[in-house]
Amino acid sequence: DVKVTQSSRYLVKRTGEKVFLECVQDMDHENMFWYRQDPGLGLRLIYFSYDVKMKEKGDIPEGYSVSREKKERFSLILESASTNQTSMYLCASSFYRATNEKLFFGSGTQLSVL
Amino acid sequence: GENVEQHPSTLSVQEGDSAVIKCTYSDSASNYFPWYKQELGKRPQLIIDIRSNVGEKKDQRIAVTLNKTAKHFSLHITETQPEDSAVYFCAALRGGEYGNKLVFGAGTILRVKS
Repeated sequence: DVKVTQSSRYLVKRTGEKVFLECVQDMDHENMFWYRQDPGLGLRLIYFSYDVKMKEKGDIPEGYSVSREKKERFSLILESASTNQTSMYLCASSFYRATNEKLFFGSGTQLSVL
Repeated sequence: GENVEQHPSTLSVQEGDSAVIKCTYSDSASNYFPWYKQELGKRPQLIIDIRSNVGEKKDQRIAVTLNKTAKHFSLHITETQPEDSAVYFCAALRGGEYGNKLVFGAGTILRVKS
């Protein structure tokens, strides 16, 4: 069974803090993604990575950066957290194959920025 | 870029009735359309998907239809049960220079009343 593990289920941070959200997958997937989920807005792509050290901006990358030093780990970084980054953050992974786009999601990290 | 609209935002049905959720997409090049179900407090999981070379796909009580000309696709759930209560997300696969990315709709909260 594919496992995508996010390091924290709940996180409370203060405005201006640097925040790290960690995600690890155990299925040797090439692709990894970070989404944020807000009521009424669905799942919006922040960044994705299709290989180690490779990253691409999604639809809402402002205020975020990412790091992928190892294939199994994809980190989302909030350089200076702001209250409008309070949200549920979902990590996902998938194989890099043209006919298999199924996403496997982590359980999510509910981040509150005070 | 791709834009996916999903309706309705909330849907209440009586147990045993059918439920239909509709999505429209903007990019005619999109060729893969999955549906994800997210139960309360859990991660989104793929429940059914359809590719652009197919008009309809069925899996037990759920089915998805695709109209490429009109650029819309729908999820049909028959004989609804309380365990069908969840948030449902449609998505469309958008091709890009560095791989394909899913664009999600805003989600539909389905409540099945017993």
